[in-house]
Amino acid sequence: TQLLEQSPQFLSIQEGENLTVYCNSSSVFSSLQWYRQEPGEGPVLLVTVVTGGEVKKLKRLTFQFGDARKDSSLHITAAQPGDTGLYLCAGVGNAGKSTFGDGTTLTVKP
Amino acid sequence: DAGITQSPRHKVTETGTPVTLRCHQTENHRYMYWYRQDPGHGLRLIHYSYGVKDTDKGEVSDGYSVSRSKTEDFLLTLESATSSQTSVYFCAIRGTSGGAAYNEQFFGPGTRLTVL
Repeated sequence: TQLLEQSPQFLSIQEGENLTVYCNSSSVFSSLQWYRQEPGEGPVLLVTVVTGGEVKKLKRLTFQFGDARKDSSLHITAAQPGDTGLYLCAGVGNAGKSTFGDGTTLTVKP
Repeated sequence: DAGITQSPRHKVTETGTPVTLRCHQTENHRYMYWYRQDPGHGLRLIHYSYGVKDTDKGEVSDGYSVSRSKTEDFLLTLESATSSQTSVYFCAIRGTSGGAAYNEQFFGPGTRLTVL
């Protein structure tokens, strides 16, 4: 069974601060996704990273896939209250199935 | 918008009763999934389908069955609900980018099920 550990589990910051969320595993993944989920809704796909060392930017969000394709990070610059939510990473294994981390709950206070 | 709806959105039932949750998609996606989400456990795969009448088990399939008689509908059944099945259930489809190597998931709005 492939496991994904996310850290921190909870993060509460002030508007304007920077933050990084981590997603780690001992397993190699063919790709990895990041999702954001708001209360009462389903997760929404933010990005897919595929190549080891890959960096993708989505406005103030920067996603990085580790060189060995076992870990990933999400960095948010100048966080805003609208960034509040549950951030989930999901690694895709050889069988084309996704393993989800337990998530990081981010609260950005105005 | 992947055109995924789930019904019902909320349900309260009693232990021992059968429950069926429905997932409906409008875009003819081949792969459909059922997950449950619980605090501290993230999203866990219950069952998935790779075509009409083609289904397979996920990591937490005990106590659940599924059926897919039409491309657009994927049903999840709890034959005899237990309190441990109180959870939020999400249906998802696999997106078309990258196929199995990407397995990008697009989720429905969820069903909150409470078993008393």
